[in-house]
Amino acid sequence: DAGVTQSPTHLIKTRGQQVTLRCSPKSGHDTVSWYQQALGQGPQFIFQYYEEEERQRGNFPDRFSGHQFPNYSSELNVNALLLGDSALYLCASTTQELAAHYEQYFGPGTRLTVT
Amino acid sequence: GDSVTQMEGPVTLSEEAFLTINCTYTATGYPSLFWYVQYPGEGLQLLLKATKADDKGSNKGFEATYRKETTSFHLEKGSVQVSDSAVYFCALSDRGTGRRALTFGSGTRLQVQP
Repeated sequence: DAGVTQSPTHLIKTRGQQVTLRCSPKSGHDTVSWYQQALGQGPQFIFQYYEEEERQRGNFPDRFSGHQFPNYSSELNVNALLLGDSALYLCASTTQELAAHYEQYFGPGTRLTVT
Repeated sequence: GDSVTQMEGPVTLSEEAFLTINCTYTATGYPSLFWYVQYPGEGLQLLLKATKADDKGSNKGFEATYRKETTSFHLEKGSVQVSDSAVYFCALSDRGTGRRALTFGSGTRLQVQP
């Protein structure tokens, strides 16, 4: 049983460009959350998707947007990239039942470097 | 808002030494508390959790007790191994706000020397 998978593993972009990161949740999971982890910091919650809708959002600007597909996979889009967007982007998946027990499973992340 | 404060690292210990990583929190509601571990090149893994005051979470020899009176959730292990070298994150999820999102501390890197 594959866990949470993310692609690509690494990505280098230039300031002002747009980027799309992808996440496939663990089998049987229907809820996906995205986190940003800057170097030397703890992850920060960006948003969560369930039933193809954004359910919760952290303190991130509108440049950060997302999407969830019918197969529960998800994309994170960042527009007008800034140097400060350089970070490890983590995807976490769960089910509504597991979420009641605060259990979620994290992927290995996508390392985004903005130059 | 919610916040988590962890002791700064790195923490360097010899194998079989006792480990304590301090964690304190601020929350508007009644949080559940967690410790996650991040091994090099891997995603975060849930190490242990506690959902109410005085609960003790434990896993793989690690323990942490939810202390509401001191708003703390310190991680301990009696005898560390080289394989425990990783970054440890304390986190909370505030049930009082209805949010399921996790609020993390900045992480503490543990280095265990043979």
